Amino acid sequence: DTGVSQNPRHKITKRGQNVTFRCDPISEHNRLYWYRQTLGQGPEFLTYFQNEAQLEKSRLLSDRFSAERPKGSFSTLEIQRTEQGDSAMYLCASSLALRTYTDTQYFGPGTRLTVL
Amino acid sequence: AQKVTQAQTEISVVEKEDVTLDCVYETRDTTYYLFWYKQPPSGELVFLIRRNSFDEQNEISGRYSWNFQKSTSSFNFTITASQVVDSAVYFCALSEARSGGSNYKLTFGKGTLLTVNP
Repeated sequence: DTGVSQNPRHKITKRGQNVTFRCDPISEHNRLYWYRQTLGQGPEFLTYFQNEAQLEKSRLLSDRFSAERPKGSFSTLEIQRTEQGDSAMYLCASSLALRTYTDTQYFGPGTRLTVL
Repeated sequence: AQKVTQAQTEISVVEKEDVTLDCVYETRDTTYYLFWYKQPPSGELVFLIRRNSFDEQNEISGRYSWNFQKSTSSFNFTITASQVVDSAVYFCALSEARSGGSNYKLTFGKGTLLTVNP
């Protein structure tokens, strides 16, 4: 069973540009999460999906950020008009959540974004 | 609001020493889950353990052991006979429970950087 994969692993962009990241979860995992991690900090929750439905968004997720999971499989996270403050590691995690089972989130390697 | 505090920012030990990483949490929920993750230099978070709030039994897995004490809201992690490969950032995390028993978003501490020197 392959783990969570994320592409690209690194992205350098200029301020004001749009960027898109992709996350492929573990096969058959119905939940998918996005977190952001800045240097010296723990990951912070951004948003999550149950299948294709986006169920919660953190206030950290400004209107420049949008996430989709169109078919309940892979997900994309887009940042429009990037700012230097967006520089961070963007982590994706997936889990298999069943009504009577406590799920565990498994993380991908992350996409490191640098905004110049 | 939930909060996780890892007061130790950095710990440095010599190989074969035992080391304990502290984690203190705050939550108003009666049902919650606690986690430890390891983040090696490669960056990928590796799941180590999950505990629910109703299970206070300590757990041992090889050289790793965890001590969960609800009375002090702590979930400490001990590595026995540390090895160089244990060098990483270790995160403690907390999740509240949703209906059906599943948990969802994780609240992480700031992490403890463990360096094991040969």
